[in-house]
Amino acid sequence: KAGVTQTPRYLIKTRGQQVTLSCSPISGHRSVSWYQQTPGQGLQFLFEYFSETQRNKGNFPGRFSGRQFSNSRSEMNVSTLELGDSALYLCASSSKPAGVDGYTFGSGTRLTVV
Amino acid sequence: GDSVTQMEGPVTLSEEAFLTINCTYTATGYPSLFWYVQYPGEGLQLLLKATKADDKGSNKGFEATYRKETTSFHLEKGSVQVSDSAVYFCALSAPDSNYQLIWGAGTKLIIKP
Repeated sequence: KAGVTQTPRYLIKTRGQQVTLSCSPISGHRSVSWYQQTPGQGLQFLFEYFSETQRNKGNFPGRFSGRQFSNSRSEMNVSTLELGDSALYLCASSSKPAGVDGYTFGSGTRLTVV
Repeated sequence: GDSVTQMEGPVTLSEEAFLTINCTYTATGYPSLFWYVQYPGEGLQLLLKATKADDKGSNKGFEATYRKETTSFHLEKGSVQVSDSAVYFCALSAPDSNYQLIWGAGTKLIIKP
């Protein structure tokens, strides 16, 4: 059974650009959550989608947005990139909302903003 | 609000030593509790979980018991290996936070041969 797939694995962008990250959840999983991980702030919740609806949202500016498609694949978009957006972005999927039975995480996308 | 507190790392042990990583939580009601592990360069993996008081989660030699009276979920392993070197995260899921996971800061574990 394929795991959670995140693409790309690494990305280098310039300040002011925008970026789109992709996440393919485990087959049958309808919940996809996104996290930002940095050494200073740890794991911070961005948002969760369940069956194409945003179910929950963290405290990030509107530059961070996401969506989920009918096949449960999800994308996250960050516009007008700032240096502070450099981080590991993790996607996690689960069969139930909010990973109440536990999440399966992808390996992440390492975003570097220069 | 709900919160999770983990012992600060890094924790450095010799191979075959006994491991305890402390985790305490604050939450109303009866949250579910989780331990996740992150190996270098990878995403997080669910290690074990417990959904009610006195439940013991276990996996790969690791154990943690849900203690309601002390609001704790300490992670233990009887004999650690070099391959256990990783960052360990304690987390809870509770109704007050719409079941969204609340994470601890993570504890880095270093096992020396």
